[in-house]
Amino acid sequence: GQQLNQSPQSMFIQEGEDVSMNCTSSSIFNTWLWYKQDPGEGPVLLIALYKAGELTSNGRLTAQFGITRKDSFLNISASIPSDVGIYFCAGNRDDKIIFGKGTRLHILP
Amino acid sequence: DTAVSQTPKYLVTQMGNDKSIKCEQNLGHDTMYWYKQDSKKFLKIMFSYNNKELIINETVPNRFSPKSPDKAHLNLHINSLELGDSAVYFCASSQGRPSYGYTFGSGTRLTVV
Repeated sequence: GQQLNQSPQSMFIQEGEDVSMNCTSSSIFNTWLWYKQDPGEGPVLLIALYKAGELTSNGRLTAQFGITRKDSFLNISASIPSDVGIYFCAGNRDDKIIFGKGTRLHILP
Repeated sequence: DTAVSQTPKYLVTQMGNDKSIKCEQNLGHDTMYWYKQDSKKFLKIMFSYNNKELIINETVPNRFSPKSPDKAHLNLHINSLELGDSAVYFCASSQGRPSYGYTFGSGTRLTVV
């Protein structure tokens, strides 16, 4: 079946650093979505991408829909403590959403 | 106002019991979902209902039965609970196509002992 490979699995960074994570697949997707999950909560949609090559920002977050339609990345600039959490990519094809396994972001004190 | 609300937040029960988790959304969305998140945080879709009609039924044991009395509610009933059913169950909703993104509830942590 379709799978999304999300990397890295975990990141340990200092506050103020920039963060980059990505998602790749062997299949083409029509939509890429990025979610963030805080502890004890459900995932919250951060950014949705609908066209190959699209670059979209939401505050300090920027995400891109890869040209090949098989990948996407998410960047976070100038990380702050509340950025801690799990970030999930999700790809949509034929109205079926597949989630990546998440990138756990930790910020060192 | 909570957009997608699930009850209970926590559920601890013994093997073999039957339990239900309720979900309600006040967003006016026409599609609702149940997802299971395992201990490794992997999210896997279980069911999807559109206007009370089942449209996705992934490979889930038939001990799990969703019920949608109306398009604002999607409940999950689990019979004969097993240890492996322990997980966090998320309800979600979307308007129109899921590619527009889901709104998730805050989850129900089910622990089977």
